[in-house]
Amino acid sequence: EAGVAQSPRYKIIEKRQSVAFWCNPISGHATLYWYQQILGQGPKLLIQFQNNGVVDDSQLPKDRFSAERLKGVDSTLKIQPAKLEDSAVYLCASTTYQETQYFGPGTRLLVL
Amino acid sequence: AQKITQTQPGMFVQEKEAVTLDCTYDTSDQSYGLFWYKQPSSGEMIFLIYQGSYDEQNATEGRYSLNFQKARKSANLVISASQLGDSAMYFCANPPNFGNEKLTFGTGTRLTIIP
Repeated sequence: EAGVAQSPRYKIIEKRQSVAFWCNPISGHATLYWYQQILGQGPKLLIQFQNNGVVDDSQLPKDRFSAERLKGVDSTLKIQPAKLEDSAVYLCASTTYQETQYFGPGTRLLVL
Repeated sequence: AQKITQTQPGMFVQEKEAVTLDCTYDTSDQSYGLFWYKQPSSGEMIFLIYQGSYDEQNATEGRYSLNFQKARKSANLVISASQLGDSAMYFCANPPNFGNEKLTFGTGTRLTIIP
């Protein structure tokens, strides 16, 4: 069974630029999460989708971050414009009801 | 609010020895789960083991086991016969309620296995 796929694996941008990350969850997983992991910390949830609907986006900085999951499968996370403090690893995870969350390899973002 | 505490920022362990990584949690829920994930330098979060609050026995998965003490609200990970490949960050995590809900992670423990 294929795992959670993410791309790109690495991205370097300058502040005020835009960036987008892509995630393809495990087949059949209705719930998808985006986490932000700043160096030295545990991951923190940015947004949770159930199929194509948003369940929790309370910690998403909506003035610059946006995410979508239009067809209930793949998802994209966008940052526009990026700030220095957005440098982090962005992890995508998926699960089905009452099962373990499985994570992708993450995207390492460096904002200069 | 959920809170996970991992008090060991880093640990050094001799290869083949057993190691215990501490995790305490704070929840008022009656039903909950505790997860442990491993994060090697590559960055991926790898699921290791899960303990449900109503499970009567401590969870085990190969060399990994959980020392679950519900009254003390602790769920320590025990790795037996450590290997060099065990060197990584280890995170304890807890969802607000068991289900497909967000995970609250601790700050992690960096484990280094010494040859």
